[in-house]
Amino acid sequence: GAGVSQSPSNKVTEKGKDVELRCDPISGHTALYWYRQSLGQGLEFLIYFQGNSAPDKSGLPSDRFSAERTGGSVSTLTIQRTQQEDSAVYLCASSTPYLPEAFFGQGTRLTVV
Amino acid sequence: GQQVMQIPQYQHVQEGEDFTTYCNSSTTLSNIQWYKQRPGGHPVFLIQLVKSGEVKKQKRLTFQFGEAKKNSSLHITATQTTDVGTYFCAGGSASKIIFGSGTRLSIRP
Repeated sequence: GAGVSQSPSNKVTEKGKDVELRCDPISGHTALYWYRQSLGQGLEFLIYFQGNSAPDKSGLPSDRFSAERTGGSVSTLTIQRTQQEDSAVYLCASSTPYLPEAFFGQGTRLTVV
Repeated sequence: GQQVMQIPQYQHVQEGEDFTTYCNSSTTLSNIQWYKQRPGGHPVFLIQLVKSGEVKKQKRLTFQFGEAKKNSSLHITATQTTDVGTYFCAGGSASKIIFGSGTRLSIRP
């Protein structure tokens, strides 16, 4: 596609439910990042995928968070047993070694009630 | 692990005043990138610096990369209301981009 696509754009879920957030990176981009941004705050790194290498999961805040990237393309971020503090905008970005910058999606705004 | 720190966290200025945000890395970077996030939007790439001591300008924005390639700054001259947003630096190392925490700029008209 023309850009990084994230779905859904908004998600409201009840505390304790599981949610899945999807990211479609730009075609051919080997690197994919997930970030979390709370209201008015900076970017909190969650996880990084690069090609076929083992992902860098060092930013995942707890074992309720997991992510996978199938076929080196689409990625899914799963949050189990959601808590109110998980409410934030979840941003996905992708990049290629041939261009310097990361391209961000519009984000998924998650609200846990 | 590698960290990229950015200060200040917030800056509130009068329109027409200058603004500067600073970025420091715990390790030497191969490049530094700057992004701008408008309120309600997502970060958008502004520029990349690669060379030690490099300085680049985009209209009223001046970007610098330190001699040791561990720090960088973004300076905006004579701010305008369109400059409102959060400015992020991002350090490139190997194949990974590490973002700073960002500086949120607000402006009094």
